[in-house]
Amino acid sequence: AQSVAQPEDQVNVAEGNPLTVKCTYSVSGNPYLFWYVQYPNRGLQFLLKYITGDNLVKGSYGFEAEFNKSQTSFHLKKPSALVSDSALYFCAVRDLNTGFQKLVFGTGTRLLVSP
Amino acid sequence: SQTIHQWPATLVQPVGSPLSLECTVEGTSNPNLYWYRQAAGRGLQLLFYSVGIGQISSEVPQNLSASRPQDRQFILSSKKLLLSDSGFYLCAWSTPPANYGYTFGSGTRLTVV
Repeated sequence: AQSVAQPEDQVNVAEGNPLTVKCTYSVSGNPYLFWYVQYPNRGLQFLLKYITGDNLVKGSYGFEAEFNKSQTSFHLKKPSALVSDSALYFCAVRDLNTGFQKLVFGTGTRLLVSP
Repeated sequence: SQTIHQWPATLVQPVGSPLSLECTVEGTSNPNLYWYRQAAGRGLQLLFYSVGIGQISSEVPQNLSASRPQDRQFILSSKKLLLSDSGFYLCAWSTPPANYGYTFGSGTRLTVV
């Protein structure tokens, strides 16, 4: 079965420092990978996706993610963190084994950016 | 443009009362629709999905049901709420081939008291 793992429950970073939120995946075939962000009491917002092409994917709010096939990883990165980036981040993979377009989500990583 | 509306934003209901949460999508046709529950502010659990009018599939056994009376309307219901039904409920949609993932509604915070 397709799955993603987010090994860190929480990531703490100081404002202005680079941030990385980790995600590893397990799929059969080529992965379709996504990152979403959730602010308190809000729905999930799409950040970026990898379908095919360049391994470095750029998304919203200055975020980017690097697809690494050999390490089966899709880590989310930002060169300089902002306090407003503090939120819950979800990695997801599209499950191609289902008849509908099921997305399988990770357990989420809480990012806290301190001033 | 495509939008998704979900209401109400918050709801406090007594145990044993009925529930109806509604989700509507605009600007797209024949979307796939989904209901998720998020407990304790973390993981997402897929409850139901629908690929067309009247077509509902349940991912987990539970006290809830879903219906899709119109192409762009998805309803989550319960006849008698339990305390364990409390949580944050999210509606989402996608269109084939879902290369753009899902678009989520703003969610409903349900507290059963």
